[in-house]
This record gives sequence, C-alpha cells and structure tokens, in this order.
Amino acid sequence: KNQVEQSPQSLIILEGKNCTLQCNYTVSPFSNLRWYKQDTGRGPVSLTIMTFSENTKSNGRYTATLDADTKQSSLHITASQLSDSASYICVVSAPGNNRLAFGKGNQVVVIP
Amino acid sequence: TAGITQAPTSQILAAGRSMTLRCTQDMRHNAMYWYRQDLGLGLRLIHYSNTAGTTGKGEVPDGYSVSRANTDDFPLTLASAVPSQTSVYFCASSVGTSGEQFFGPGTRLTVL
Repeated sequence: KNQVEQSPQSLIILEGKNCTLQCNYTVSPFSNLRWYKQDTGRGPVSLTIMTFSENTKSNGRYTATLDADTKQSSLHITASQLSDSASYICVVSAPGNNRLAFGKGNQVVVIP
Repeated sequence: TAGITQAPTSQILAAGRSMTLRCTQDMRHNAMYWYRQDLGLGLRLIHYSNTAGTTGKGEVPDGYSVSRANTDDFPLTLASAVPSQTSVYFCASSVGTSGEQFFGPGTRLTVL
C-alpha cells in the first residue's frame, strides 16, 4: 500500500474558483511534508514545506495545512488561474532519510 | 545559474541497446537522485547518491546503473534497454540527505 494517498485523482475547476486537494500519509516517524507543482512536460517544483510543528504554510495563492495527529494535509488554491493547471504532488519524508514517499498527484485542470 | 540539467530531452531506443542519461547540477549539492515517472504510478526512486563516490539502490534499481565520480554529474545507464523502461526520467539533487530536492526537466525515453 502506498504510504501517501492523494485525492481527488483529478478535477476540473473554473477559472477564479477555489479548490482543495487532500493528502493522507502513513509515514512514521515524520520529518516534513512538501507539496510540489508539476507542469506538463516539466520537473516538479516545491511549493510549500511543513515540519511536524507547523500546521499551515502559504505561498501566494497556495495554502497548505497539516494535521500531524491525523496524518493529513491539504493544499488550497485560491482564485485559480489557468496557469494553475498542473499535477500537485504530496511528498513526505522521515527524519534523516533522503528517500521520500511520493503521492501519485492530483491532476488539476483550470478552464476559462 | 543553470541549476540541474538533463540530456537528452527525449530519445527513442531500440530494445537491447544501451544508453546513458546525463544529469549535471551546478548547485554543489551533495545528494543526487534518479526517478522514473509513469502514468498512474507517480515518481519512483531508481538510484541515489548521498555524496560523490557513493551510490545506493532505490525502489526500482533493476536494469539501471549509476556512478558518481564527482559532485556535479550523476549519469544513469541502461545496459540493455527493455520496453518496460519506457518512461520519463527525472534527475534531482539536494543539499543534504533531508533537504528540498530540486528536479531537472526530465528525459522522455521510449524503448521499442
């Protein structure tokens, strides 16, 4: 079973609307959780990072939340733009371990 | 600063042939990684190197080899390609073993 599960697998949203992506993980112990954005044909780029003690982190219109007790994270996109069309990947790491656990990604398509 | 570069961008390869995917970073990062990304499976670690002169096996190492002769370069070699190695390959690097991983633009490989 994958250690990082993301939902929904894909979604289509209208430009200007908000959306929330979910990430559940079983990695334990836990060091940090990152959300990456991957545009089509490009490599992933880090959006946010949260450690065990942090429960929210923003990067422009992107806001990530973390509940380390329930092992859940979310990524909220506010006022979506066409450029937000991408795959959003949740990545979890354990302490002192550079081998990351990757989710399969949430595919977001923003339509005008 | 170029960051992390990969070559070639794409390649079609006959089964049984060998090929080396190149990866170079100019950030003086100690750790480097090779991933493959397949539809529906997400990113999977092939091999990694925590520092020049050392390498380790990831989740899916069979059929691949790597070397790390210096800090900047981390080539991935397919000795005898098979169709199941058709994938998009991403190289990444990080300062330390638990830092943010920076990804290259990817190499799309098709084995026929």
